[in-house]
This record gives sequence, structure tokens and C-alpha cells, in this order.
Amino acid sequence: SQQGEEDPQALSIQEGENATMNCSYKTSINNLQWYRQNSGRGLVHLILIRSNEREKHSGRLRVTLDTSKKSSSLLITASRAADTASYFCVLNGNTGKLIFGQGTTLQVKP
Amino acid sequence: EAGVAQSPRYKIIEKRQSVAFWCNPISGHATLYWYQQILGQGPKLLIQFQNNGVVDDSQLPKDRFSAERLKGVDSTLKIQPAKLEDSAVYLCASSSSRGGNEQFFGPGTRLTVL
Repeated sequence: SQQGEEDPQALSIQEGENATMNCSYKTSINNLQWYRQNSGRGLVHLILIRSNEREKHSGRLRVTLDTSKKSSSLLITASRAADTASYFCVLNGNTGKLIFGQGTTLQVKP
Repeated sequence: EAGVAQSPRYKIIEKRQSVAFWCNPISGHATLYWYQQILGQGPKLLIQFQNNGVVDDSQLPKDRFSAERLKGVDSTLKIQPAKLEDSAVYLCASSSSRGGNEQFFGPGTRLTVL
């Protein structure tokens, strides 16, 4: 499969806790992106990490990339109810096409 | 800055009918994408335009789906005739580069085929 495989498929946590989502893939990539989708704001780009980068931060988000293991993780710290959404690992390979995974559904309980 | 606009937001049709969706990308974005998102799955690329030329339509079911991007700005996606399995959200996105970088998505059109 050319798409990333997210794990877990669903995650439920309490507000204030951290949420970690993982993504494994099989192809070579130029970059890996994470997107969020909820009913309020639709599908939104969160962060992009290039194949020569190992870690990237954006606000409460931390993304890691291990190209030797072909895996990435997204950490959301101090989660809020507004973080409730589906999170997609998105691969950008040699064609420039974005390949979306199935997504992880995150529920943050107030 | 205005985002990607799509219309209609919702559409219900009978199978074998035709339907069209419209997208207006962010001003100045040369690349425009149409995705199909079936419930519970991630978006799947149907077609990518660079200005008014097609870059990738490998996953577009060409026997029933067609798309055009007149003058390299607005785009329409048409389904004729629709099948039950076409029920999905159709998302339009645009980006300032040819591909591979951040894409900006519209709110989508939710299509129900009865």
C-alpha cells in the first residue's frame, strides 16, 4: 500500500492529557504531512516534515520522523476539547501527489 | 485572505442523474485538486490541475467523471451518470506550488446518491 497506516485508529483522552498518534509507511517520501479534519474547520494542514528532518515543533504539536524505520509520530500536548478531530498522516512521494491514510479519530473529553 | 470556496455544500440526487460541483481556489494558486472522501476514509485524489492543464487524472473514473478548469482559475467537477457508490464528500484544494507541499482545502460538497 502507498498510504500511511495510522495507529491507533481511535483514541479517547481527558482534556489536559497528551495524545500520540503514529504512522508507518512503506514507500520513499520527500516529506510527510499531518492534517486535521473536524466538522467546524474542515481539513486543515498542521505540519510538514521533510525527509532530512527528524523532529519539528509547532505550538503544542511535535512531529518526529524516522526514515530508517519508515515511521512518524504526532504528539499533541496539553490537549483541549477543540482538538477533537480526525488526524491524517499524508505522504508526499516522488510524484508530488499527496496520499492520505485512513486517519486517527481523537476524542478529547472536557 | 479568502479561502477555497465550493458550492453547493450538499446535494442529493437519484442514481443515473448528473451533478456538478464548483470550486474557486485561493487567488494566485496555480495548482487545483479534486478529492473524493468516502465516509470513514481519507481523501483520495481524483484530478490535479496546474493552471488549466491536467497534471494527474489517473484515479478519475473517466467513463462518468469529468473536470475542467477554465482560464486556470475556477473549476467544475461533473458526474454523469451518478452511481450509489459515488456518495461521498468532494473536496477541492489549492496550492501555490506544483505539488507536494501544503494544500488548502475547501469545505467540501456532500453528495448523496439515492
